[in-house]
Amino acid sequence: GQNIDQPTEMTATEGAIVQINCTYQTSGFNGLFWYQQHAGEAPTFLSYNVLDGLEEKGRFSSFLSRSKGYSYLLLKELQMKDSASYLCAAPGLGGYNKLIFGAGTRLAVHP
Amino acid sequence: EAQVTQNPRYLITVTGKKLTVTCSQNMNHEYMSWYRQDPGLGLRQIYYSMNVEVTDKGDVPEGYKVSRKEKRNFPLILESPSPNQTSLYFCASSAGGSNEQYFGPGTRLTVT
Repeated sequence: GQNIDQPTEMTATEGAIVQINCTYQTSGFNGLFWYQQHAGEAPTFLSYNVLDGLEEKGRFSSFLSRSKGYSYLLLKELQMKDSASYLCAAPGLGGYNKLIFGAGTRLAVHP
Repeated sequence: EAQVTQNPRYLITVTGKKLTVTCSQNMNHEYMSWYRQDPGLGLRQIYYSMNVEVTDKGDVPEGYKVSRKEKRNFPLILESPSPNQTSLYFCASSAGGSNEQYFGPGTRLTVT
């Protein structure tokens, strides 16, 4: 089957580090996307991993293990504006034309 | 400015009254897609298009139609809306393949 799992909610403190996990079972392709979505707004692209390992992009990093069907998004030096939902997505049976999205992890950053 | 636009942003309608949600992108993208987002379910794909006159069903196509007569436009048509189509709808476009998708601002539809 095709399935993407991520925690529903997380909380963290401003300035801290948080890791948002995503496990996936999809057919065919092995790349994985992360999107950020602030409440009431459109999702915006954060990262795309197709090779195993960690990719760093400023305060945000994303990790992928294709053999384990596992990814995580690492957010460092958390800021209040990082309070948002984080969606992971992977190609489904139709490949990149038919992305499967997780339900999203709602992150609340507190002072 | 590169963008995806949707209209209307908010719509309240009644069961059975046909409606169209427009989507337009100015990035010359070949790929466009429609999603609906419901609490706890995440984004689910309704229809997608790989190019002009090429469309295909996503995971939840029932009750929806689309057309792609021009590259920039990809309207979503609800011929006979029902209350279970109350949702937040997003249009997205992409250069295709593994490229990122750009999302429109969303259309919040309520069917009573």
